Amino acid sequence: AQSVTQLGSHVSVSEGALVLLRCNYSSSVPPYLFWYVQYPNQGLQLLLKYTSAATLVKGINGFEAEFKKSETSFHLTKPSAHMSDAAEYFCAVIPNFGNEKLTFGTGTRLTIIP
Amino acid sequence: GAGVSQSPSNKVTEKGKDVELRCDPISGHTALYWYRQRLGQGLEFLIYFQGNSAPDKSGLPSDRFSAERTGESVSTLTIQRTQQEDSAVYLCASSFVSSGRGDTQYFGPGTRLTVL
Repeated sequence: AQSVTQLGSHVSVSEGALVLLRCNYSSSVPPYLFWYVQYPNQGLQLLLKYTSAATLVKGINGFEAEFKKSETSFHLTKPSAHMSDAAEYFCAVIPNFGNEKLTFGTGTRLTIIP
Repeated sequence: GAGVSQSPSNKVTEKGKDVELRCDPISGHTALYWYRQRLGQGLEFLIYFQGNSAPDKSGLPSDRFSAERTGESVSTLTIQRTQQEDSAVYLCASSFVSSGRGDTQYFGPGTRLTVL
């Protein structure tokens, strides 16, 4: 079965510093990969997704992620953190053989230090 | 345009009571999904609808849970004889199609269910 591992349930970075949130998937066949963000008391919002086109995917709010098949990773990055980036981030996967359900990682709570 | 809406936003109920949670998908979206987010745990898939049929019910945790959908619109998730472990945020999502090619799922704000 597909699974997703997010390393670090809590990450703190200073405002203006690099944001790096890690995600690894387990699959012999590259799946579809997603990053969602959840702001306090709100639903999930799609940041970006990988669907086997370009391996470097750019999303909203300055975030991007790179699909690395050799490392089975899809880490999320942003060059310069902003206070408004404080939220919980979820990596998720859909297998590429027609299964529609998202399998989520356990989430990473990002705190921005002023 | 309007996003996915869910009602109620909060529901407090007593153990043993039945509850109904409602989801209005984005107009024109044929696929609809229910997920559950329990405190301290990740999001769990519950059920998926394509139109008004449910090809995948594999995530429903017990026979106390059921869901239905009217055409390609509203869906209702029903939990009978609620238990304290049912306390969670129930999230609904919809997508334009379910092509099996990673269609984007758009999420509603969720219903926070508390079972006392």
